[in-house]
Amino acid sequence: TAGITQAPTSQILAAGRSMTLRCTQDMRHNAMYWYRQDLGLGLRLIHYSNTAGTTGKGEVPDGYSVSRANTDDFPLTLASAVPSQTSVYFCASSVSGTNNEQFFGPGTRLTVL
Amino acid sequence: GQNIDQPTEMTATEGAIVQINCTYQTSGFNGLFWYQQHAGEAPTFLSYNVLDGLEEKGRFSSFLSRSKGYSYLLLKELQMKDSASYLCAVMDSNYQLIWGAGTKLIIKP
Repeated sequence: TAGITQAPTSQILAAGRSMTLRCTQDMRHNAMYWYRQDLGLGLRLIHYSNTAGTTGKGEVPDGYSVSRANTDDFPLTLASAVPSQTSVYFCASSVSGTNNEQFFGPGTRLTVL
Repeated sequence: GQNIDQPTEMTATEGAIVQINCTYQTSGFNGLFWYQQHAGEAPTFLSYNVLDGLEEKGRFSSFLSRSKGYSYLLLKELQMKDSASYLCAVMDSNYQLIWGAGTKLIIKP
């Protein structure tokens, strides 16, 4: 099985443009997460979803939106990108939203100029 | 506020043992995780502790003391492929993971 896939692998985006990062998992996990990882900082949670149809805000949600229309997909949208959103974005999933290990996708490296 | 502290970088010799410490202050505690992350790759799960004590898994062991807000990851018989960052994360009362910045482990021959 593929586990978790993310697309694109990397992207350069002009400031002010919108973009959707895609994330798909085939493990039938209920919970999914979006993190950003910046040099010198720990992973920071942007948004999460404990089950299809529900979403919640993490530590750094401003400037980002998510949807969870079904179990497998959890896209992250930047409505109007800013340079501070330059980062590596990881999607993750877990069996449930409680104390289970999280499985990570390969990441998307986004540069906003 | 919530805080996870771990050393930024450590160096060890191939074949040796290294201990990576992690201290935490979080709102609630629902377990502590260790992940390994090779450069340019995604984090992968190593261990989970929710009760005090030592959990052993092959060459890797993880220890937890909840009263001290302290954990360590012990790596034995170090191999060159163990060169990576090791991330400590605590699950808080809202079941959200709070992550440390990671410890970059450099293995020298």
